[in-house]
Amino acid sequence: GAVVSQHPSRVICKSGTSVKIECRSLDFQATTMFWYRQFPKQSLMLMATSNEGSKATYEQGVEKDKFLINHASLTLSTLTVTSAHPEDSSFYICSASNDRAGELFFGEGSRLTVL
Amino acid sequence: AQSVTQLGSHVSVSEGALVLLRCNYSSSVPPYLFWYVQYPNQGLQLLLKYTTGATLVKGINGFEAEFKKSETSFHLTKPSAHMSDAAEYFCAVSGSGNQFYFGTGTSLTVIP
Repeated sequence: GAVVSQHPSRVICKSGTSVKIECRSLDFQATTMFWYRQFPKQSLMLMATSNEGSKATYEQGVEKDKFLINHASLTLSTLTVTSAHPEDSSFYICSASNDRAGELFFGEGSRLTVL
Repeated sequence: AQSVTQLGSHVSVSEGALVLLRCNYSSSVPPYLFWYVQYPNQGLQLLLKYTTGATLVKGINGFEAEFKKSETSFHLTKPSAHMSDAAEYFCAVSGSGNQFYFGTGTSLTVIP
């Protein structure tokens, strides 16, 4: 199957700093990418949907100025957590679609810890 | 609108016993249904999916699921549990634009 890679897998930062997480589709072009957040022992919460070359669509309750998403190319989307706060600590997972119905591929996830 | 309900947030089975993880969905259109497995601090791995055709779907690691439209269910089964099956399992339904809706997950414990 297709491969989606996330980097970094783990990141620790100080409160108030910004952190960027990258999501790359390695062997296919991803016209749509999704960003999820997962709290311990809970399901995935869709944060936003990003389409290459256009602004991301954020789910209700997700602060777009807090979680900046850029999908500049067909193989790369980035999530930047700005002015990070301890409650932003979470597991963030991206997924990518090649637009074939029913085809969605997940990254390995990124564990963010804000001190 | 689509939604997914997973009954039982925790399931424990003995090694070698049948695994049954329940999933019910609601969808206004013919659904695409998925089961994913997640190991600690990892992303999601696709176990199997139903899109069209045969309603009994076989996946990796000996898992299978049956799409039952009349019951709006897509339960996951495995005849004989293995210790390595211990993980978190998520059922999902996809809507338009490949937007996925996940259940709350079921944590499977396998007792030796």
